[in-house]
Amino acid sequence: SYELAQPPSVSVSPGQTARITCSGDNLGKKYVCWYQQKPGQSPVLVIYQNNQRPSGIPERFSGSNSGDTATLTISGTQTMDEADYYCQAWDSSLYVFGTGTKVTVL
Amino acid sequence: QVQLVQSGAEVKKPGASVKVSCKASGYWFTNHAMHWVRQAPGQRLEWLGRINAGNGDTKSSQKFQGRVTITWDTSANTVFMELSSLTSEDTAIYYCARDPFLAAAGNSWFDPWGQGTLVTVSS
Repeated sequence: SYELAQPPSVSVSPGQTARITCSGDNLGKKYVCWYQQKPGQSPVLVIYQNNQRPSGIPERFSGSNSGDTATLTISGTQTMDEADYYCQAWDSSLYVFGTGTKVTVL
Repeated sequence: QVQLVQSGAEVKKPGASVKVSCKASGYWFTNHAMHWVRQAPGQRLEWLGRINAGNGDTKSSQKFQGRVTITWDTSANTVFMELSSLTSEDTAIYYCARDPFLAAAGNSWFDPWGQGTLVTVSS
């Protein structure tokens, strides 16, 4: 089965840039989405189709996807961005989620 | 605005079945697919399956085939997910999430999500 691997945690200082990676075989040939999930809340879409930002999502969120790695970048990270982040892709008619990354802003 | 409202928490015994509902509003119900995703405590998100709300066509993850049934009631703008033969490993929060398209495919995404339904399986 297809696997998407993410680092368990990323720490960033307020105002700095956080980069969260998502690795999978030939991932660059697939569409990748990213979801933000805060404790006790439902996931929220922050990036779709590799680099598209839904309405209402701040411009500091951006995405890229090439080779075997997709990256979610949060520029000028704010304390409100502290959350778990999951990547997601589609393989063999199955929607697969990454292992998740906890972003800590300190 | 688009809203998905799910049914309340459930407690079930091992071997039983559970049926969770997801009522949609704020958009044309039959123009979008709906997915079901679950999250066990401290675990990643896991896709169970989806339904084409236009014609009722369903597809589920091979892991759950034979145990998960997804249905819909267009008159009530509601999608249902039933999971049978429950074990403690099925204890999780179950979410419905809308697809931007009717025919969900590789270019799809999930937005928005319902508020989640906690299903606890315990003897």
